[in-house]
Amino acid sequence: ETGVTQTPRHLVMGMTNKKSLKCEQHLGHNAMYWYKQSAKKPLELMFVYNFKEQTENNSVPSRFSPECPNSSHLFLHLHTLQPEDSALYLCASSLREFDNEQFFGPGTRLTVL
Amino acid sequence: QKEVEQNSGPLSVPEGAIASLNCTYSDRGSQSFFWYRQYSGKSPELIMFIYSNGDKEDGRFTAQLNKASQYVSLLIRDSQPSDSATYPCAVTATTDSWGKLQFGAGTQVVVTP
Repeated sequence: ETGVTQTPRHLVMGMTNKKSLKCEQHLGHNAMYWYKQSAKKPLELMFVYNFKEQTENNSVPSRFSPECPNSSHLFLHLHTLQPEDSALYLCASSLREFDNEQFFGPGTRLTVL
Repeated sequence: QKEVEQNSGPLSVPEGAIASLNCTYSDRGSQSFFWYRQYSGKSPELIMFIYSNGDKEDGRFTAQLNKASQYVSLLIRDSQPSDSATYPCAVTATTDSWGKLQFGAGTQVVVTP
């Protein structure tokens, strides 16, 4: 296990549900990231936060809403998702924004019915 | 469209042999190159990074970079069953030293006893 934790590890939700993913890092890092990984596809960067401020939104649909209350915590709020949003959602952190070494959490496996 | 391309595999390698993985990238301005390892159902972990043309060795792993031909390779010597995983490569997507990571889909390696 790394110093980045994610909860829940698995989530099944309907298209009308609202749920949230949580990420916490215990590494003293200042930058945090959300990535999406669909089956057999590359990791896609979704959002970047640096010192709690969002610095990157990679054209993500508004049904995904990130929140970063402090440098250690990152949330991804989900509402009215589509089945094609089913994927592994990975949180990562690094000491500085876009540092070479990003530490990944274990991910949340999301299934949208 | 900037892309990072990898053969998806699976690459079957006998135990003790050398596994050779290749990654090509389209952005000629890419500066930093990374190899990750991702076990099934787990998050990616960084195993090597390389910035300069040539070879970089770390234990059983060697990264090879050829910027003129726009490819980066990973050699795994004395392959072990524990090396069975998917190996995504990643490159920075800008000409800056620090930039967004753009991932390939990864090459699946299967080491057979």
